[in-house]
Amino acid sequence: QKEVEQDPGPLSVPEGAIVSLNCTYSNSAFQYFMWYRQYSRKGPELLMYTYSSGNKEDGRFTAQVDKSSKYISLFIRDSQPSDSATYLCAMSSLRGNEKLTFGTGTRLTIIP
Amino acid sequence: GAVVSQHPSWVICKSGTSVKIECRSLDFQATTMFWYRQFPKQSLMLMATSNEGSKATYEQGVEKDKFLINHASLTLSTLTVTSAHPEDSSFYICSARTSLGGVAKNIQYFGAGTRLSVL
Repeated sequence: QKEVEQDPGPLSVPEGAIVSLNCTYSNSAFQYFMWYRQYSRKGPELLMYTYSSGNKEDGRFTAQVDKSSKYISLFIRDSQPSDSATYLCAMSSLRGNEKLTFGTGTRLTIIP
Repeated sequence: GAVVSQHPSWVICKSGTSVKIECRSLDFQATTMFWYRQFPKQSLMLMATSNEGSKATYEQGVEKDKFLINHASLTLSTLTVTSAHPEDSSFYICSARTSLGGVAKNIQYFGAGTRLSVL
């Protein structure tokens, strides 16, 4: 079993819809959770980061962490064609100074 | 803030030659930088962790003599692919982590990547 599981998609939704992206993990030591967006042939861009459980909102993006279920989510409201990209979840433990563990990424397409 | 510059963005070279890729943190000091390799439609594969002023730590299966990493300053790390062959063709991405404490020390900021094509 992988430490981090993420549905690779592809996921296609119409413009304006709410998008839900998810990851599950098995390592209870993970405390820091991040979402990155990666456009084709570009490096990942940090979207959101969260420490421990809870919600965090930034514009159209909301990140949720449920440590009891080992489940994290990224919601995108009012999705735009420019949101079409691969979304990677990543996490690390409390110790810090450690490498990130990535999900496989979900390919998202927003249809105009 | 937190900008990481990677150069070149695309390089084509002949088999047997060496290629150097630079990774710079432009507006912060990075005690730790990471080098990843990514194949099409796959996630990032960590190759090595580079700490300023010390030898890089390579992941299992990554040849350290093949992929030379130097992290001579708090803002610059380089990856040199030595005697490149077609199987080394890939997308190479660097990331940098700040020297700050707290939550920030767990966040990696990525460069735009370098596409290497070995003929």
